[in-house]
Amino acid sequence: AQSVAQPEDQVNVAEGNPLTVKCTYSVSGNPYLFWYVQYPNRGLQFLLKYITGDNLVKGSYGFEAEFNKSQTSFHLKKPSALVSDSALYFCAVRDRGSSASKIIFGSGTRLSIRP
Amino acid sequence: DVKVTQSSRYLVKRTGEKVFLECVQDMDHENMFWYRQDPGLGLRLIYFSYDVKMKEKGDIPEGYSVSREKKERFSLILESASTNQTSMYLCASTGPTADTQYFGPGTRLTVL
Repeated sequence: AQSVAQPEDQVNVAEGNPLTVKCTYSVSGNPYLFWYVQYPNRGLQFLLKYITGDNLVKGSYGFEAEFNKSQTSFHLKKPSALVSDSALYFCAVRDRGSSASKIIFGSGTRLSIRP
Repeated sequence: DVKVTQSSRYLVKRTGEKVFLECVQDMDHENMFWYRQDPGLGLRLIYFSYDVKMKEKGDIPEGYSVSREKKERFSLILESASTNQTSMYLCASTGPTADTQYFGPGTRLTVL
């Protein structure tokens, strides 16, 4: 069975510091991995994805994530946080061989950047 | 620019009412999804549609039904609303590769 875990409900970072939002997953085959961001009272917006190829994926707003197969992780990172990065972040996974409906979302991590 | 729209941002209904939530996408996408979002639970799939008139139950279909009469429109129906259906409802769509999902702004439904 597929699963995805975001072990931290909340991450607090000072502006200008690096940030990491953690995600680990479990799939039976090869994964598609995604990060989405949700700003207050908005729908989810796509940030980045790993499908195949380079393990380091760069996305919108200066975010990046590294696919680590041995640790089954896909942590979201940014070298220097901005107050405007404060939002709710969701990791998602789908087994490459599965139906489009079989995407699983994590429970979300609330990122708070203090000035 | 890609667009998914939902009929209402906020909706207040009474227990027992029939509720319609509509979603429209302008990307000619085959796949459309309805999720509900609750704090600490992430997104849970209610129903999925992979083509006109085709649907598949998600993880929590009880108390809901869907309709997809046209490719661009996917409706979620609460036959008899209950207070435990108070939630944020999100619609999404994907193209044939079925990877990146495009989400609507959400409908926050309150059932009194």
